Amino acid sequence: KAGVTQTPRYLIKTRGQQVTLSCSPISGHRSVSWYQQTPGQGLQFLFEYFSETQRNKGNFPGRFSGRQFSNSRSEMNVSTLELGDSALYLCASSFTGPFSDTQYFGPGTRLTVL
Amino acid sequence: GENVEQHPSTLSVQEGDSAVIKCTYSDSASNYFPWYKQELGKRPQLIIDIRSNVGEKKDQRIAVTLNKTAKHFSLHITETQPEDSAVYFCATLGSGGYQKVTFGIGTKLQVIP
Repeated sequence: KAGVTQTPRYLIKTRGQQVTLSCSPISGHRSVSWYQQTPGQGLQFLFEYFSETQRNKGNFPGRFSGRQFSNSRSEMNVSTLELGDSALYLCASSFTGPFSDTQYFGPGTRLTVL
Repeated sequence: GENVEQHPSTLSVQEGDSAVIKCTYSDSASNYFPWYKQELGKRPQLIIDIRSNVGEKKDQRIAVTLNKTAKHFSLHITETQPEDSAVYFCATLGSGGYQKVTFGIGTKLQVIP
């Protein structure tokens, strides 16, 4: 069974731009969660989508948004990029939820904001 | 919101020795406590988890213990091997209508052959 995939793997943007990251979950998984990982803050939960609806949300500003399509693929968008948005963005998928059953992480997208 | 403190931040052990990592949380309603392992340059992987209705769970060389009264849970790795070298994260699932996940800052474990 194919694992979670994320595209692109690396991205370089400048301040003020916006970016869209994509996540394809494991087949059959309906829950997709997004995380930000930085050396200083560690892993932080952004939000979770389940059946095309945002079900849970962390403490990130509204510049961070997402959506999920009918095939469970998810996208995350960051608008008006700031230097502090430089991070590894991970998505994870599961059947029922990130903490209802095992979630599987993708390889991540490394975003650099210049 | 939930606070999770993870200790130690780094840990070096000799191969074959045991390693213990502890996380303390603040939300008494937290009910799920997973541990993730992240090898250098790789994605996190769930290695073991425990729910609030049990006090201990084992899976071969790995165990997790939960003390709900003291609000802490610990990861125990016995007979450590070099391939156990990685960063380990704890996490909690808090309470509330919009549940949110909180991760510990991570523990870098080095197993010295």
